[in-house]
Amino acid sequence: AQSVTQLDSHVSVSEGTPVLLRCNYSSSYSPSLFWYVQHPNKGLQLLLKYTSAATLVKGINGFEAEFKKSETSFHLTKPSAHMSDAAEYFCVVSDGDFGNEKLTFGTGTRLTIIP
Amino acid sequence: GAGVSQSPRYKVAKRGQDVALRCDPISGHVSLFWYQQALGQGPEFLTYFQNEAQLDKSGLPSDRFFAERPEGSVSTLKIQRTQQEDSAVYLCASSLAVRGPLKTQYFGPGTRLLVL
Repeated sequence: AQSVTQLDSHVSVSEGTPVLLRCNYSSSYSPSLFWYVQHPNKGLQLLLKYTSAATLVKGINGFEAEFKKSETSFHLTKPSAHMSDAAEYFCVVSDGDFGNEKLTFGTGTRLTIIP
Repeated sequence: GAGVSQSPRYKVAKRGQDVALRCDPISGHVSLFWYQQALGQGPEFLTYFQNEAQLDKSGLPSDRFFAERPEGSVSTLKIQRTQQEDSAVYLCASSLAVRGPLKTQYFGPGTRLLVL
């Protein structure tokens, strides 16, 4: 069975400071991992994905994440927060190419940016 | 190009009514998924189609929920005899391929269902 744990339900950072959103995963197979962002009253947008290529993955809007198998982690980072980054972020796992195609979402981290 | 579209965007139903939610995937996408997102929660898987075949319906919460994709394109999620606990946002997603890097799922804006 696959699962993800988002360690913080709410993160607040000042504009211009670094962002760290933490995620740990559990998967029986070689997982695919994703970060999605959801702005209020808008659909889920893919930020970045890891699919067994490079362990450091770069996404849109300056976000990146590092896959660490030894720590079963896939934390999301951004060097400098912008006001437009305020949103709900979901860490997501899918069991590799030979497992379930369905996505399993974490409970989400709400990111607040302080002006 | 056009993304995944869903209709209606909002639906208010009286308890006991039947509702039908529509999803138009991205053209040519083989896989289609339905998810349910309760208030303040992450989306949860309901069901999955590969073309017209429903390959996984393990997430459907009861036999009141039914989904179809008869021609392998548009899909409809039907909820019979709606209950208050069915109130949620219903999300549809599609992907181009079954596996590999093209299996990334793209989400529609969702249908917000409120059952009174």
